Amino acid sequence: RKEVEQDPGPFNVPEGATVAFNCTYSNSASQSFFWYRQDCRKEPKLLMSVYSSGNEDGRFTAQLNRASQYISLLIRDSKLSDSATYLCVVNKPGGSQGNLIFGKGTKLSVKP
Amino acid sequence: EPEVTQTPSHQVTQMGQEVILRCVPISNHLYFYWYRQILGQKVEFLVSFYNNEISEKSEIFDDQFSVERPDGSNFTLKIRSTKLEDSAMYFCASTGGLLVVTNTGELFFGEGSRLTVL
Repeated sequence: RKEVEQDPGPFNVPEGATVAFNCTYSNSASQSFFWYRQDCRKEPKLLMSVYSSGNEDGRFTAQLNRASQYISLLIRDSKLSDSATYLCVVNKPGGSQGNLIFGKGTKLSVKP
Repeated sequence: EPEVTQTPSHQVTQMGQEVILRCVPISNHLYFYWYRQILGQKVEFLVSFYNNEISEKSEIFDDQFSVERPDGSNFTLKIRSTKLEDSAMYFCASTGGLLVVTNTGELFFGEGSRLTVL
């Protein structure tokens, strides 16, 4: 089983649509969870951390289900500028600070 | 806004040659990293560096790789004898200012150095 698994997409959606990404992770000892965004041929950038109680940042909502080892990201009212690859990221249990395990990413394309 | 800078942006080299990739982390950060991303693949951890020594290295980071912080600003990755499979984008990252020594998960990545080994 892959350490972090995501649907590769692509997700092609019209502007204004709501889109949801899912992610599963294999090691139940992971404690920190994140969504990063990566534009084509660019560096990853932190979109948001994911907390146990779920959290929201504007149009973005992240959820965590530790029992199922499942993380989700919901984007509401999608914009053209949301087009990117969304990376599900967890910390490596027992690893040093900053040792993160990245999923391969889900590509989103928002069309006019 | 402070940023991590990397040079070169693209390097082409012959198999067996030595390559040095350079990074200037954000000035008040204490933790430094190299990650790599093979085209079409996931971002992978290579090494973490703190207090002038390696904190952790992955299986990828074999004897051909080394890191150094030669002065107060630069952080370098050296590949001693490049192989075809070393072709990838190499990202430098930093985190952890003087007053914030917790893992928030926010690594600040540079724009990357694309290495092509022929």
